[in-house]
Amino acid sequence: DAMVIQNPRYQVTQFGKPVTLSCSQTLNHNVMYWYQQKSSQAPKLLFHYYDKDFNNEADTPDNFQSRRPNTSFCFLDIRSPGLGDAAMYLCATRPGQGWVQETQYFGPGTRLLVL
Amino acid sequence: GENVEQHPSTLSVQEGDSAVIKCTYSDSASNYFPWYKQELGKRPQLIIDIRSNVGEKKDQRIAVTLNKTAKHFSLHITETQPEDSAVYFCAASTGANSKLTFGKGITLSVRP
Repeated sequence: DAMVIQNPRYQVTQFGKPVTLSCSQTLNHNVMYWYQQKSSQAPKLLFHYYDKDFNNEADTPDNFQSRRPNTSFCFLDIRSPGLGDAAMYLCATRPGQGWVQETQYFGPGTRLLVL
Repeated sequence: GENVEQHPSTLSVQEGDSAVIKCTYSDSASNYFPWYKQELGKRPQLIIDIRSNVGEKKDQRIAVTLNKTAKHFSLHITETQPEDSAVYFCAASTGANSKLTFGKGITLSVRP
């Protein structure tokens, strides 16, 4: 059931060294999300795409950016990771708009460690 | 914006007993309420959801009830098993903006 795939599953980076996390989906869903989840906390939405339309949360730091080159792929770029950015990063997809298509499907996550 | 609260933060039950987890929400326009189960180090997995046009939904040992007037919804797990031990998140959405607002999560422990 690996329909939302995230790579890598574990990423170690150095303080300030840019890092890119990848998400791909075989579901042909229109909407893709990036969440940050820290230990013992709920997932926190960073941004989402509806097709090519990018939607940034107001409190998402400028250090975080995203790209969606096509329907299947979405990338999370962290330009200058700080120690506080160590977390699990979850990608999720959703079929599209309309109340019968609201279910979000999560990928396995990428655990980021910043040294 | 929407605010979802989840209480308590931990719940411990004896195997075979029932567990009830309650969430409240603030936005009366919310119309979609999923429940996710997350085991340690794994992804959140949808276990059940309910839409505002129904008051109750059941799937085997799991049920969800919705009270729109009081703006709360609850997860009911019957005949709990040790494998039910996990963190459970409730969430709410208006559907229109495609965003979920999560509660803080509750850690359920089922004692064998």
